Amino acid sequence: GAVVSQHPSWVICKSGTSVKIECRSLDFQATTMFWYRQFPKQSLMLMATSNEGSKATYEQGVEKDKFLINHASLTLSTLTVTSAHPEDSSFYICSARDHRRGQETQYFGPGTRLLVL
Amino acid sequence: AQRVTQPEKLLSVFKGAPVELKCNYSYSGSPELFWYVQYSRQRLQLLLRHISRESIKGFTADLNKGETSFHLKKPFAQEEDSAMYYCALKAQGAQKLVFGQGTRLTINP
Repeated sequence: GAVVSQHPSWVICKSGTSVKIECRSLDFQATTMFWYRQFPKQSLMLMATSNEGSKATYEQGVEKDKFLINHASLTLSTLTVTSAHPEDSSFYICSARDHRRGQETQYFGPGTRLLVL
Repeated sequence: AQRVTQPEKLLSVFKGAPVELKCNYSYSGSPELFWYVQYSRQRLQLLLRHISRESIKGFTADLNKGETSFHLKKPFAQEEDSAMYYCALKAQGAQKLVFGQGTRLTINP
C-alpha cells in the first residue's frame, strides 16, 4: 500500500511561536491532501483540503490565517500553526489521495502531537 | 450536508461472538461508503469500501440505501479486532470524507 509520513511526530512549543508540520506521500504523487485535527477520544475533524499548486479549501470555522497550508509539490503539504496558543494543542493528522489502481483511496499519516505551553 | 452517525461509542463483545458496528448516514445523492480502522498506536487505515463488496479480515459491510445504513459485521470476533472503527462517507464528486464519531470495539477473551 501507499505510505504517508508526517514530521515531526510530536512537538512542544511556547505560546506565540509558529510550528510547521510536514506531510509527505512517499511512494505516490498526491494532487490532494487533507489536514485533520483530532481531540482526545473524538473523531477526526477536517480542517482543510490542500490541492497542489492552488489555495487550500478550509472548512467552516477554521481560521485560514492561523492554519497556513502550502502544497508546493505533488508529494509535500505543510501545515503551519501560526502564533500557537494552548488551545491549539491537539493531534494533527494528514492524509493523501491516491488515484492509482483505478480506485481512489485516502492514506493517512501517523499524526503529529502538538503541545503548546 | 452529509452526516455520518455511529450510535455506539463503545462496544464490547466476547471472542468468538458475532459483532456488528452500526453506521447510518444522511445524504440525498449516491454515496461512497468506507470503514476505517485504527489499532492501538497505529495510523488510521482503510478496512473496506462498499463498492468493492469484499471481505477483509472477516469483516463485511453492505450498503442499505433504503435504511441509509452501512453496518460492519463479523461472524466471529477475534481479540486482534479490538480497535477504533470509523465509518466515512464521500459524496458524489466530492474530494473529502465525512467521518462518523467512531466506535471503540473491545473483544474480551
